[in-house]
Amino acid sequence: KNQVEQSPQSLIILEGKNCTLQCNYTVSPFSNLRWYKQDTGRGPVSLTIMTFSENTKSNGRYTATLDADTKQSSLHITASQLSDSASYICVVNTNAGKSTFGDGTTLTVKP
Amino acid sequence: NAGVMQNPRHLVRRRGQEARLRCSPMKGHSHVYWYRQLPEEGLKFMVYLQKENIIDESGMPKERFSAEFPKEGPSILRIQQVVRGDSAAYFCASLTGGRNNEQFFGPGTRLTVL
Repeated sequence: KNQVEQSPQSLIILEGKNCTLQCNYTVSPFSNLRWYKQDTGRGPVSLTIMTFSENTKSNGRYTATLDADTKQSSLHITASQLSDSASYICVVNTNAGKSTFGDGTTLTVKP
Repeated sequence: NAGVMQNPRHLVRRRGQEARLRCSPMKGHSHVYWYRQLPEEGLKFMVYLQKENIIDESGMPKERFSAEFPKEGPSILRIQQVVRGDSAAYFCASLTGGRNNEQFFGPGTRLTVL
């Protein structure tokens, strides 16, 4: 059964600090992995996409990594801002276009 | 996600009534996904449609729920005889097709069943 597990479930950090969110998956056949940011009351917005051959990709203060051998991904947020408070969702897609969503990590950035 | 429109944004129904949720995809997108998000939980896949075709409805409850994406007009998610457990946020996402393509999400419809 395809599964995506994210950790931690929730995280509280102070503004300006860094943090790393984890995503482990058992999805096959793997096509790509996306990290989404979902602000409260809104739909998710894509941050990064990782394909099989990519190990790391950055989007501003967000850096995603992928280890396809261990089936793990991480999302690192640098110099956090209050506006980073949101739910971060890891989504793994198969070649057939089927998406498996993680339950998300709720990040709270405090001043 | 500004291009995907969902309406209504909030919908209140009494038990036993019907709920109709609409999703207008981004221009040029012919694929639509519907997801349900219960409070404090992640998004769960319901159904994947192309124009006039249901491609994958494996996540949709077999009773009371139906979805369509007609040749013209928005995609509709219909819930008949709603129950309190149907209270959730329902998101649609559209894409042009292709396995690496990004899904663009709408703002969601928050359904409350009294």
